[in-house]
Amino acid sequence: QKEVEQNSGPLSVPEGAIASLNCTYSDRGSQSFFWYRQYSGKSPELIMSIYSNGDKEDGRFTAQLNKASQYVSLLIRDSQPSDSATYLCAVTRYDYKLSFGAGTTVTVRA
Amino acid sequence: NAGVTQTPKFQVLKTGQSMTLQCAQDMNHNSMYWYRQDPGMGLRLIYYSASEGTTDKGEVPNGYNVSRLNKREFSLRLESAAPSQTSVYFCASSDRTTTGELFFGEGSRLTVL
Repeated sequence: QKEVEQNSGPLSVPEGAIASLNCTYSDRGSQSFFWYRQYSGKSPELIMSIYSNGDKEDGRFTAQLNKASQYVSLLIRDSQPSDSATYLCAVTRYDYKLSFGAGTTVTVRA
Repeated sequence: NAGVTQTPKFQVLKTGQSMTLQCAQDMNHNSMYWYRQDPGMGLRLIYYSASEGTTDKGEVPNGYNVSRLNKREFSLRLESAAPSQTSVYFCASSDRTTTGELFFGEGSRLTVL
């Protein structure tokens, strides 16, 4: 079982719609959760972090965490073509190192 | 403020050749990391340095060595390159190892023939 699994995608959404990305993790002791965005040919950049159960909103992005279900998600509201990228879910392990999922590629259709 | 700088950005090697990837950060971060990224595999940690003077293995250290030259610089060396090491390599830094907030360099694309 992979430590962090993401829906493989690709995910195609029309401009203005909501893109929903899901991530599950295997280490029940994980405490910190992150979403990185990676444009094609570029490096990952942190867009969201979440540490406690519930929702965290930052602009058009909402991260949701459910530790009991070992599930974290990212919602992108009012999707724009500039949101087209690969989104990486990352979870801290027992040794504080990050485990990354393989990523979900999102394409926003104009 | 350049952030994290990696060199070279592209490199082609023949099997058995050696090379060193250089990384420098100007954010006064304590911790530095080397990751590799392969299609469908996500980012995998090769080595990390929690602070100046220390280095530790990550998930996939075989075939690599590292040097934390000073607080700013962290290099990755391939002593005898193999085709399985064809990948995109990212250097990253953070203020401490207990945070998941990493700052990445632009990446180095390595091809081993």
